[in-house]
Amino acid sequence: QLQLQESGPGLVKPSETLSLTCTVSGGSISSSSYCWGWIRQPPGKGLEWIGTIYYSGGTYYNPSLRSRLTISVDTSKNQFSLKLSSVTAADTAVYYCAREWVAARRYDYWGQGMLVTVSS
Amino acid sequence: QSALTQPASVSGSPRQSITISCAGTSSDVGNYNLVSWYQQYPGKAPKLIIYEGSKRPSGVSNRFSGSKSGNTASLTISGLQAEDEADYYCCSYAGGGTFKFGGGTKLTVL
Repeated sequence: QLQLQESGPGLVKPSETLSLTCTVSGGSISSSSYCWGWIRQPPGKGLEWIGTIYYSGGTYYNPSLRSRLTISVDTSKNQFSLKLSSVTAADTAVYYCAREWVAARRYDYWGQGMLVTVSS
Repeated sequence: QSALTQPASVSGSPRQSITISCAGTSSDVGNYNLVSWYQQYPGKAPKLIIYEGSKRPSGVSNRFSGSKSGNTASLTISGLQAEDEADYYCCSYAGGGTFKFGGGTKLTVL
């Protein structure tokens, strides 16, 4: 059974960089059938697509976040990561990592989510 | 990148049917048959219940069905049950590897 697990600091100061890692277990991150995405949800609000990465390193970003966003992959560790720079309180959210089945453009496996709070 | 438009809330009585709409544009919902729907309970991760507009993953009840007309997708839940009370989100592929989510709809089972 595929499992995804987010990890990283739960508290980040304003203007600093938010960094999260998603560890994939029960399957390989190196498959052309899938890519790996980040989705976030501010407290009490809806889901927002952040971006996606292929195991080859190709990325797709939300245009509204592109200038601050970097998603990378480490196939040797079966992990992918998110870095969001110059954060503000508006970036406070539960951050989910998820697997995207490319052919059907669906997110079929999700991590449990991790709350990241931006506060001094 | 504007979100897809969903009603904030819908409600229905047990055994009734409800429909949740998801309005997009000709650049997303209307241009691709790649709308998915997710069910989310409080404090939990979203769960995929419909993909490619109308297909159900294995294990999802056939009480859930999806459709699309023009730039609007819809999720119908028939035979409402108390366990269906949750938040529902639509998501559409928008080209260039990008996605848009709807604002979410809170379903209340009366």
